[in-house]
Amino acid sequence: AQTVTQSQPEMSVQEAETVTLSCTYDTSENNYYLFWYKQPPSRQMILVIRQEAYKQQNATENRFSVNFQKAAKSFSLKISDSQLGDTAMYFCASRMDSNYQLIWGAGTKLIIKP
Amino acid sequence: GAGVSQSPRYKVAKRGQDVALRCDPISGHVSLFWYQQALGQGPEFLTYFQNEAQLDKSGLPSDRFFAERPEGSVSTLKIQRTQQEDSAVYLCASSLRQGPSETQYFGPGTRLLVL
Repeated sequence: AQTVTQSQPEMSVQEAETVTLSCTYDTSENNYYLFWYKQPPSRQMILVIRQEAYKQQNATENRFSVNFQKAAKSFSLKISDSQLGDTAMYFCASRMDSNYQLIWGAGTKLIIKP
Repeated sequence: GAGVSQSPRYKVAKRGQDVALRCDPISGHVSLFWYQQALGQGPEFLTYFQNEAQLDKSGLPSDRFFAERPEGSVSTLKIQRTQQEDSAVYLCASSLRQGPSETQYFGPGTRLLVL
């Protein structure tokens, strides 16, 4: 079975600091995709960044980057120069090549303090 | 362009009532997903459509849940004889193509409260 675990229910950092959100997953498949989604308060879920498991290079999108450790089944999200607008729930999710389901973690509530 | 829209945004139902939740995906998107998100939790997969075909309904929690997408665009999630445990936010998402790496675009959700 596919599982995704986020062990940090809540994190809080000062504006402009760097923060890392943790995610671990479990799968028996070789081909899969990993995602970080952001859900701001009362707003829609949006994709932050994605990683294909077959790519060794860590994905980067502006201030957002991942540390993908395939052997350890770890997929953490690093947010650099954090901004007030980064305050949101962050969900880690995975999807196997062989099925249609996105499997989600329980989320990490990130608060950026001014 | 318009994103994914869902209606109603909020629904209060008495236990035992039937409800219908609507999702309008982004025009031209092939794939459509329904998720259930309980308070303080991550979403859980309910069902998946590729065009009008329901290819995976393994996440539907009981036979009281039924989804359709008859013309390959708008989708409706119907819950019969609602129970208190059905209270959740129901999210709809669509993607342009059907591949596993495709970005899913989410609607604002329908918050269902069953009393």
